Order: sequence, then structure tokens, then C-alpha cells
Amino acid sequence: DIQMTQSPASLSASLGETVTIECLASEDIYSNLAWYQQKPGKSPQLLIYYANSLNDGVPSRFSGSGSGTQYSLKINSLQSEDVSIYFCQQNYDSPYTFGAGTKLELK
Amino acid sequence: QVQLQQSGTELVKPASSVKISCKASGYTFTSNYMHWIRQQPGNGLEWIGWIYPGNGNTKYNQKFDGKATLTADKSSSTAYMQLSSLTSEDSAVYFCARDEFGVQAYWGQGTLVTVSS
Repeated sequence: DIQMTQSPASLSASLGETVTIECLASEDIYSNLAWYQQKPGKSPQLLIYYANSLNDGVPSRFSGSGSGTQYSLKINSLQSEDVSIYFCQQNYDSPYTFGAGTKLELK
Repeated sequence: QVQLQQSGTELVKPASSVKISCKASGYTFTSNYMHWIRQQPGNGLEWIGWIYPGNGNTKYNQKFDGKATLTADKSSSTAYMQLSSLTSEDSAVYFCARDEFGVQAYWGQGTLVTVSS
């Protein structure tokens, strides 16, 4: 199975700040990487697919980048509603594995 | 709009089985893969498998082979997941999610399964 190592596990940032979350795959996943946001008690929501494609309705302050084994999610100008847990997932090879998540809180 | 409505909370006994449903609306049910994902308390997400309702084809995470069985009823636009030989380790929230772009683009609200005697 492809292992997805996500960092940091938790992150505290101020409103308006830019934050970056990283995801490292154990092998090349050829940009088959998605990012999800999950708020407490809710289902995950797709933010980014194919490493850098923004899902419909997702604010443009979210962006994804990366290739090969290294990927990142950037949130510009952090808003209060961005407080969530963020997961990466590779959909290159079954089983489609997720990172352990990054809990983003406000400072 | 795409909607996935899952069945309600289940409290089941060890060694029993449970069948969770996911009723789809707002799109052509037979045209998209349906994934199932598990989230154990305080833990991350695990992909269980997918079913293609158009022809019933399935693909499973080997970890869930023999544990989960995915089916779909085209007449009611409903996907099902049966979990068997339940133990406390199977206590979790289970999500169905419709595929788009090869990822889980639309999610149900989740079904909590608690296994306890």
C-alpha cells in the first residue's frame, strides 16, 4: 500500500495568515492527490483534486501544488471558517490511502 | 443537486452483521462509482472499496475483504454496504461518497455503527 505522511499533525495560525500543509507519498503518485476538509461532526469535503485543481465552490484562497511524491495545500489569508481537519489522499493506486490529517486551529 | 442520504445510527451486537444504505439523488445513479470510507473514533479515514452501480463491479481494499460487501439497487438508486462478523474494532462512522475526477467528490452524512453487547 502507498503510505501518505502528512505534516504537521496540528497547526495554529492567526487570521489572515498563510498556512501550508504537506503530504509525502511513499512512491510516485503522478499528481493523483486530493485534499479534503472536515469540520467537527461533518463529512469530509473535497477541496482539491489532481494535486492542483480547485473543486467547484471552493474559495480561491485554497491552492494545491506538487508532483512526484511531494504535495502541499496552501491556504492564503486564513479565515475563521477554515478551522478544520485537512486530509490528503492518493487516488493513484488501490487501496486509496489517506494521510493522518492536520488539525488547523486559530491562534 | 447531488445528494447522498445514508441510513441511521446502528447499535449492533458482536458477531452480528449490519447493512447500511446510501440513497442517491440528483444524478444518474448508474454513471458514477460509489466509494465507501470508514472513520474510526479519533482516527483518520480508510477507503473500504467502490462499486460501479452500472454493472455491479466492485473493488475492495484487501483489509476489508470478507468484512464488507458492496451492492447497489438500480431501481431505487441505493447503494448498500454489509459488514459482517462485527467486533468492537468495527465501531466507526461509515461514509458513502460519489466519485468524480477519480476522487470522492460528494459525501453522505455518515452512519455511526456501534458494536457492543
